Amino acid sequence: AQKVTQAQTEISVVEKEDVTLDCVYETRDTTYYLFWYKQPPSGELVFLIRRNSFDEQNEISGRYSWNFQKSTSSFNFTITASQVVDSAVYFCALSYHAGGTSYGKLTFGQGTILTVHP
Amino acid sequence: SAVISQKPSRDICQRGTSLTIQCQVDSQVTMMFWYRQQPGQSLTLIATANQGSEATYESGFVIDKFPISRPNLTFSTLTVSNMSPEDSSIYLCSVEDLLGQGVQYFGPGTRLTVT
Repeated sequence: AQKVTQAQTEISVVEKEDVTLDCVYETRDTTYYLFWYKQPPSGELVFLIRRNSFDEQNEISGRYSWNFQKSTSSFNFTITASQVVDSAVYFCALSYHAGGTSYGKLTFGQGTILTVHP
Repeated sequence: SAVISQKPSRDICQRGTSLTIQCQVDSQVTMMFWYRQQPGQSLTLIATANQGSEATYESGFVIDKFPISRPNLTFSTLTVSNMSPEDSSIYLCSVEDLLGQGVQYFGPGTRLTVT
């Protein structure tokens, strides 16, 4: 069975602070995808990043960066110099795939509510 | 990424009634998914809807309660039957990216309140 744990229920920071959202996962599958999604107050889920279990390279996109460590089953997300617009619920998710083909089901963590104060 | 729309965006329904939610995609997709997000909670997959076959339901969800139709590659409906207040949730449909590499794009959701 797959499981995703986001230990931080809520995080509150002041603008320009750096913040890291933790994600730990459990799976018996040898091949899988990891994801981060953002859900702003409007409610729509926005895809941020996908990482293949074969690829442990860290990734940076603007103020966002992701650290994938297979040895600790973690896929953490850091926002540098946070802004008020970053306030949202962030979900980490996991899915199984084989041969590059996804089997569809996304297992989500409980989400972390990030509030960035001006 | 695909553009996904859902109707209605929100509704308030009385217990015992049923509501059908529509999901429309602007491109043909093989897999469509229906998720439920209860208030303040995470997303839980209800079922996977493939065109031309019966939907596949996750543990805890049954066809009698959540019948799904998938008449073509761009459209699906989810019905929430015989509603109770516990069914108050956001219902979201999603589709997988065309390359089948796991990324799912979500519709805007249907916010359902059952009184």
